[in-house]
Amino acid sequence: QSVLTQPPSASGTPGQRVTISCSGSSSNIGSNTVNWYQQLPGTAPKLLIYSNNQRPSGVPDRFSGSKSGTSASLAISGLQSEDEADYYCAAWDDSLNGSWVFGGGTKLTVL
Amino acid sequence: EVQLVESGGGLVQPGGSLRLSCAASGFTFSSYAMSWVRQAPGKGLEWVSAISGSGGSTYYADSVKGRFTISRDNSKNTLYLQMNSLRAEDTAVYYCAKGGNGYCSSGPDYWGQGTLVTVSS
Repeated sequence: QSVLTQPPSASGTPGQRVTISCSGSSSNIGSNTVNWYQQLPGTAPKLLIYSNNQRPSGVPDRFSGSKSGTSASLAISGLQSEDEADYYCAAWDDSLNGSWVFGGGTKLTVL
Repeated sequence: EVQLVESGGGLVQPGGSLRLSCAASGFTFSSYAMSWVRQAPGKGLEWVSAISGSGGSTYYADSVKGRFTISRDNSKNTLYLQMNSLRAEDTAVYYCAKGGNGYCSSGPDYWGQGTLVTVSS
């Protein structure tokens, strides 16, 4: 059971806009920034969004992130077939001694 | 260009030990926190441990506390994970990841390709 809650799956057709949610608590998302990672099949994760809504250089502006309270969202507009991947949210958790917590991951299928 | 290359994975019996290494290049290693994150076969990502840039602060997931030890040698640009008392549930690909700054609360930005650890008799 992951500390951050994501839907296990999402889908869309090419060109559509899809959103993936990530729900946490006051000790993680509520008090720290959120990162999003993309993991293509058979590869290592790649940073997609950091500090809630910032894109590293090279990440298309089709990807955007937002945060409100103890929840965060990743939006992908103009969906493309190469976006088919697993997506994970993550945040620092201040409880106990501190730790990183991840969502369980959302498998995005491009129909 | 940031490069992270893990090594040391392999097959080990339950109760055994293994030490993973991560050779870093392309950035000032001592200025950045580093983490280990693992992924069991067909499962999601699980954070394992983190260490600050100076090495003075370390953090562990409850699942590995007391069994795993993270360390770094800033003179060799290398991160380590000593894993003792290994269990079947430790079987996973272990990724080395660079933090966004020197503090462990800064999330991973670059990841290595991973090394597979299999715990089985």
